[in-house]
Amino acid sequence: GESVGLHLPTLSVQEGDNSIINCAYSNSASDYFIWYKQESGKGPQFIIDIRSNMDKRQGQRVTVLLNKTVKHLSLQIAATQPGDSAVYFCAENKGGGGGFKTIFGAGTRLFVKA
Amino acid sequence: GAVVSQHPSRVICKSGTSVKIECRSLDFQATTMFWYRQFPKQSLMLMATSNEGSKATYEQGVEKDKFLINHASLTLSTLTVTSAHPEDSSFYICSASGGGSAAFFGQGTRLTVV
Repeated sequence: GESVGLHLPTLSVQEGDNSIINCAYSNSASDYFIWYKQESGKGPQFIIDIRSNMDKRQGQRVTVLLNKTVKHLSLQIAATQPGDSAVYFCAENKGGGGGFKTIFGAGTRLFVKA
Repeated sequence: GAVVSQHPSRVICKSGTSVKIECRSLDFQATTMFWYRQFPKQSLMLMATSNEGSKATYEQGVEKDKFLINHASLTLSTLTVTSAHPEDSSFYICSASGGGSAAFFGQGTRLTVV
């Protein structure tokens, strides 16, 4: 079935290093992808998004890369900080019923070592 | 902007009782609201999508008579868990969209049924 999933369930990085979180999707018709950050006991927080007509989008310390050929999405966090420790989800907007719905991948837990 | 508020943040109820969770968009009109459930160490699972003034669209496997959703205004949606049982204990999260592609999430409600 259609899904949005992740290659790595956990990632541990040293403070100051760059982090890369990967995601694979299976629905080639998807045209909008989002990365969310979720801290323990809280709702997901929007980080960055990208449309399928783009390959790359940059935000503050974050970059999202989209490779439509292999249906792969990645989130790069520069100079990772302890406050970046959280679970990161990629999500995909799927159309339906005249609108859309956001489907989440499995998530990757990022640990930042001080 | 784009603030979504959920209430309550935590609730404990007795088995067999009903619990209502509110989701409000504070600074925008939410034409569409979404309800998710998240079990520990798992991803968010979409339960239903609701459009203001319309009946909610439930995902496969979600009992509409057990999880009552009302979206009576452009700033408020409610989820009522009827006849709650311990297996309904979970983290319930709402999100809201003002018509754009991105949805913004509430802080979640931790439901514990004893």
